Amino acid sequence: DAKTTQPPSMDCAEGRAANLPCNHSTISGNEYVYWYRQIHSQGPQYIIHGLKNNETNEMASLIITEDRKSSTLILPHATLRDTAVYYCIAAFRSEKLVFGKGMKLTVNP
Amino acid sequence: DTAVSQTPKYLVTQMGNDKSIKCEQNLGHDTMYWYKQDSKKFLKIMFSYNNKELIINETVPNRFSPKSPDKAHLNLHINSLELGDSAVYFCASSQGAGYTIYFGEGSWLTVV
Repeated sequence: DAKTTQPPSMDCAEGRAANLPCNHSTISGNEYVYWYRQIHSQGPQYIIHGLKNNETNEMASLIITEDRKSSTLILPHATLRDTAVYYCIAAFRSEKLVFGKGMKLTVNP
Repeated sequence: DTAVSQTPKYLVTQMGNDKSIKCEQNLGHDTMYWYKQDSKKFLKIMFSYNNKELIINETVPNRFSPKSPDKAHLNLHINSLELGDSAVYFCASSQGAGYTIYFGEGSWLTVV
């Protein structure tokens, strides 16, 4: 599975959009981009995933560049409860997910 | 109702002991997993079962033995516990390959 790179941390003001970047320059054509998050002391929570097209659900939007070498997870209106470690993962299949260090998002009041 | 539940949530035990962590999912999923999150916070898959059959075993020591009595349960038994086994163990489930994985709340194992 391709390696992903995320900044270690990021801050965001409550109510603003949070744009979480991820680089996956070695991603192959049939690898999906998955986003999960882990709120302190809880199990990882699925957010969204995509292959080529942008995706949106009730939690977030996923923007994948045309060359698929990077993506951005967008939380449209961040709340304090969105403070968590966010994982961007490139994988062929969801059951082979390998979680890296992720990125700590802190939403400030 | 908790979708994926695991017990115990916290477990402190001595080296050399044998312990089990139980997991149950009420989502009707066919596939269940065990993940381990170590002190550096890396989360890695250990095992995956589909309809009670082992499909993924990621080079885990054979002291770790998963057991699936039915597709709603996947228990993790650990023999001869070592200090390095201290970690958070997450159970998870999904409908199958390529589907969203739902995680439990984790079991904090501390070996002293």
